[in-house]
Amino acid sequence: DIQMTQSPSSVSASVGDRVSITCRASQGISSWLVWYQQKPGKAPEVLIYAASSLQSGVPSRFSGSASGTDFTLTINNLQPEDFATYFCQQVNSFPYTFGQGTKVEIK
Amino acid sequence: QVQLQQWGAGLLKPSETLSLTCAVYGGSLSDHYWSWIRQPPGKGLECIGEVDHRGNTKHSPSLKSRVTVSIDTSKNQFSLILKSVTAADSAIYYCARGTRSYYYDYMDVWGKGTTVTVSS
Repeated sequence: DIQMTQSPSSVSASVGDRVSITCRASQGISSWLVWYQQKPGKAPEVLIYAASSLQSGVPSRFSGSASGTDFTLTINNLQPEDFATYFCQQVNSFPYTFGQGTKVEIK
Repeated sequence: QVQLQQWGAGLLKPSETLSLTCAVYGGSLSDHYWSWIRQPPGKGLECIGEVDHRGNTKHSPSLKSRVTVSIDTSKNQFSLILKSVTAADSAIYYCARGTRSYYYDYMDVWGKGTTVTVSS
């Protein structure tokens, strides 16, 4: 299985801040990387697919980038509704595997 | 707008069989794949298996001997069976729609989740 190492596990930030979350794949996955947001008691929602494509309806302050086996989710101008947990998922080969998650908390 | 409604028993004893069903409303089973994902309390997400409208399946190797994912196109539903459950199978189980092409693959519609607890 491909291992996805996500960091940090949590980050404290203020409204208006920029937050970056990283996932590293244990082997090459090209751009087969998805980012999800999950709020407490809710199912995950897709933010970014194909490493950098913004899902329809997702605010443009969310962006994704890739460099080799490293993938970054950036949230610009953090808004109150962005405080949540974020997961990456590789969809290069089954079983699709997720990162451990990053909780974005209010500072 | 496609919605997924899932149901199944939430409390099981060790060695029993977990059975969940997910109904698809507002869309066809074609052109997508259909997945089951679980999340132990306070932990990360794990893909269990998937099925397409033709009945082609993939199962997680770690669960393969115990899991069956199936589809019923006449009812617009798909299902998960997990045999011989233990406490380690306690989790929130989600059904989800997968959208896949030559360029992308992601799960864009999710059910609300079913909490399954395995306890004697």
